[in-house]
Amino acid sequence: AQKITQTQPGMFVQEKEAVTLDCTYDTSDPSYGLFWYKQPSSGEMIFLIYQGSYDQQNATEGRYSLNFQKARKSANLVISASQLGDSAMYFCAMREAFTNAGKSTFGDGTTLTVKP
Amino acid sequence: NAGVTQTPKFQVLKTGQSMTLQCAQDMNHNSMYWYRQDPGMGLRLIYYSASEGTTDKGEVPNGYNVSRLNKREFSLRLESAAPSQTSVYFCASSEATRARNQPQHFGDGTRLSIL
Repeated sequence: AQKITQTQPGMFVQEKEAVTLDCTYDTSDPSYGLFWYKQPSSGEMIFLIYQGSYDQQNATEGRYSLNFQKARKSANLVISASQLGDSAMYFCAMREAFTNAGKSTFGDGTTLTVKP
Repeated sequence: NAGVTQTPKFQVLKTGQSMTLQCAQDMNHNSMYWYRQDPGMGLRLIYYSASEGTTDKGEVPNGYNVSRLNKREFSLRLESAAPSQTSVYFCASSEATRARNQPQHFGDGTRLSIL
């Protein structure tokens, strides 16, 4: 069974600094995808970044990058140059490639607070 | 660019009442999902539908039923609401082929309180 672990319930970062949010996963499937979503206080879920298990390079999307260490089964989200608007809850999720209907398993999330 | 639309946004029920949460997507996605999110926690899958006419149980299906009315619409029904079902409910959709890089697209959620 899939499992996603986010060990940091809450994180603080100073504005303009970088921050890393941890995510470890467990799966026996060699083919899978890893996703990060942002949930601001308004409640909507926003897709941020994706990493495939066979991707050779770490994914990047603007200020977001994914530090993917396959052997360690970790997929940490790095946010560079933090902004006040980055304050939100962040969820790591995994989808096994051939899972019926593309189901994903979500971690419990990390609440990030950016300090001015 | 509506994406995934959920109705209602807020609802208060009394224990034992029934109600249906509606969800519709306009992205022509095959798969749709219902999740619940309890305070300070992640999303737990209630039911999902791989395609029109099919539905399957997720992690926490007890107390819920679903209907995949057509490709666009996927509804969640609480037959006899209980206080333990107080939560925020999210509907999502995705293109569930073997394309692994397709994220799920979420509605804005329904905040449901059961007294």
